[in-house]
Amino acid sequence: DAGVIQSPRHEVTEMGQEVTLRCKPISGHNSLFWYRQTMMRGLELLIYFNNNVPIDDSGMPEDRFSAKMPNASFSTLKIQPSEPRDSAVYFCASRLTSGGQETQYFGPGTRLLVL
Amino acid sequence: QKEVEQDPGPLSVPEGAIVSLNCTYSNSAFQYFMWYRQYSRKGPELLMYTYSSGNKEDGRFTAQVDKSSKYISLFIRDSQPSDSATYLCAMSGTGNQFYFGTGTSLTVIP
Repeated sequence: DAGVIQSPRHEVTEMGQEVTLRCKPISGHNSLFWYRQTMMRGLELLIYFNNNVPIDDSGMPEDRFSAKMPNASFSTLKIQPSEPRDSAVYFCASRLTSGGQETQYFGPGTRLLVL
Repeated sequence: QKEVEQDPGPLSVPEGAIVSLNCTYSNSAFQYFMWYRQYSRKGPELLMYTYSSGNKEDGRFTAQVDKSSKYISLFIRDSQPSDSATYLCAMSGTGNQFYFGTGTSLTVIP
């Protein structure tokens, strides 16, 4: 299995531009999570989906952030307009929820720098 | 108070030392406890996974959970330079959400 795939791996953009991050979860996994990691705040959960449905988006910092999961194999996190304080590493993770508490598997992350 | 507290370190030890990493938590509903290892510029990878209280051993790694004290530990025996990384604890209850510590940075000096 290729694991969780994220693209792009690095993104440099200017303030005000739209940024779209992409994630392909592990095949067969039915939960998907978006996290943001910074030195100051550590790993923060932004939003998660169960069976493509957003369950909890309380971690999304503001309306500038939106996430979609149109099918079981693809999700996007969009920031519009981007701001310098959005600079962070964004991780996608997926998990198979089947009655137990199987753990999450992380992608390699997208390193975002907003100038 | 945060759900999960973890000393950020940094922790620096000589090769071969025993390393002890710890987290405390406040939510008594947590039942599943994990340790992730994160190398620089990489995503977190699962290292250990335990359910409820007790010990679990995997090679040089031992995870301990003490639910009565709300305290979990990860021990690394015979530490190696390749163990240099950030270690994150994570835990969850019956829901989908995982709660992560901020991570402890470990350096093993050859």
